[in-house]
Amino acid sequence: NAGVTQTPKFQVLKTGQSMTLQCAQDMNHNSMYWYRQDPGMGLRLIYYSASEGTTDKGEVPNGYNVSRLNKREFSLRLESAAPSQTSVYFCASSEEGHKTANYGYTFGSGTRLTVV
Amino acid sequence: GEDVEQSLFLSVREGDSSVINCTYTDSSSTYLYWYKQEPGAGLQLLTYIFSNMDMKQDQRLTVLLNKKDKHLSLRIADTQTGDSAIYFCAESTGGFKTIFGAGTRLFVKA
Repeated sequence: NAGVTQTPKFQVLKTGQSMTLQCAQDMNHNSMYWYRQDPGMGLRLIYYSASEGTTDKGEVPNGYNVSRLNKREFSLRLESAAPSQTSVYFCASSEEGHKTANYGYTFGSGTRLTVV
Repeated sequence: GEDVEQSLFLSVREGDSSVINCTYTDSSSTYLYWYKQEPGAGLQLLTYIFSNMDMKQDQRLTVLLNKKDKHLSLRIADTQTGDSAIYFCAESTGGFKTIFGAGTRLFVKA
């Protein structure tokens, strides 16, 4: 019953360093998402992937890149980390396709990233 | 643009009912959701309601939807200390766009 697995759980980066956040789901879902959560701001969508081989920008994509490696895996890369990217990052997956029902997301447990 | 608003805090006594409220702006919302987040964890889907429904009940949870007023509520009956968490309201128009509120922190006093 793994669901959505994210690694690492915690990370501290220096300004300018790069890193990749990993996400994998075992529910055979088509769609995957990366969100960031900041205090008092809810969740904001960074990027999403509607299906294997496609990715699209969300609300706050600047400073990030993504790769949908296969149906299971969706990674998020910070090329040059900035303090403004200090946040909790969540990966999620869902079954829906475009214009079809969205029965809700399954979230991973999050990556807590601090950029100093 | 689309927005989802929730009050930030709610405090109840154990055994009482909790009612968490949410308002949304997008009249074309198709699905509305309630998620629960416990400390250090991801969001967990509690329930969802389709926009052509007025009410949905699932054990201790009751969701009420007033489309005219764009108001969604989550009632938790017999609230327990284990219900202490942050509750997020969210709306979707289908496809890949889901808008989340900022969350309501529920405190349950023993």
